[in-house]
Amino acid sequence: EAQVTQNPRYLITVTGKKLTVTCSQNMNHEYMSWYRQDPGLGLRQIYYSMNVEVTDKGDVPEGYKVSRKEKRNFPLILESPSPNQTSLYFCASSLGSFGFGRSLNNEQYFGPGTRLTVT
Amino acid sequence: AQKVTQAQTEISVVEKEDVTLDCVYETRDTTYYLFWYKQPPSGELVFLIRRNSFDEQNEISGRYSWNFQKSTSSFNFTITASQVVDSAVYFCALRSGDDKIIFGKGTRLHILP
Repeated sequence: EAQVTQNPRYLITVTGKKLTVTCSQNMNHEYMSWYRQDPGLGLRQIYYSMNVEVTDKGDVPEGYKVSRKEKRNFPLILESPSPNQTSLYFCASSLGSFGFGRSLNNEQYFGPGTRLTVT
Repeated sequence: AQKVTQAQTEISVVEKEDVTLDCVYETRDTTYYLFWYKQPPSGELVFLIRRNSFDEQNEISGRYSWNFQKSTSSFNFTITASQVVDSAVYFCALRSGDDKIIFGKGTRLHILP
C-alpha cells in the first residue's frame, strides 16, 4: 500500500529538548516536504527536498533542520524546540516532476500528521 | 512573490445546493501547478486535483468540477449537489518554478442537512 508514515503521531515535550519527527514513504518519490498547520494560517512549507542530499528552505524554516540521506526518509529535526513551534506537522511526498499530462490520479501523498506541543 | 488567496474563510450551504470555492493565485512563473486538497474533520489531507499552467480546460470528476482561468489567475472549485460528507476544510495550493509549494489559508465548508 502506497503511504507516507510519520512518527510519533503525538508528542509533548519541553522547551530546548531536541526532537526528531520521522517521515518515510514507500513510493520512490523524489519530492518530499514538511509543513506546519496552524489555525487561520493554513499549511506553511518548512523545508522541501527534490532528491537525496538536496534540500531547500520553504517559507518558515527557522528553528528546523532536515536531512535527506535516503530517498525514502526525510526527518524533521527541532534542535531546541520553543513553544511557538507547537503545531500540527505534515510530511508529504510526490513525483519530482509532473510533466504536462492530465491526471486526477497523480497524487500528492500526505502523512497522517504529528501533533507537537512544546511547553 | 507567490501567493494563494482563498477569500472565503467559511461557507455554509444546505445539502443539495451547489457551492463554489474560490482560489486566486499569484506567480511570475509561466510553468506552475495548482492543486486542491480536502481536509475532513478527521484531519488527514486528501489530494483532489493537480492542474498545470498549460492546461486551461475545465475538469469534472463526479460532483466535483474545477474552472481554471489564467486570465484572472483563478482556479475555482465547484461541488454540485453538495452532501454532508463534503463538509471539510478545502485548500488550494501553488507549486511553481522554485518548487516551493504555497497553500492558501483554506475555506471551511459546512454542509447543513
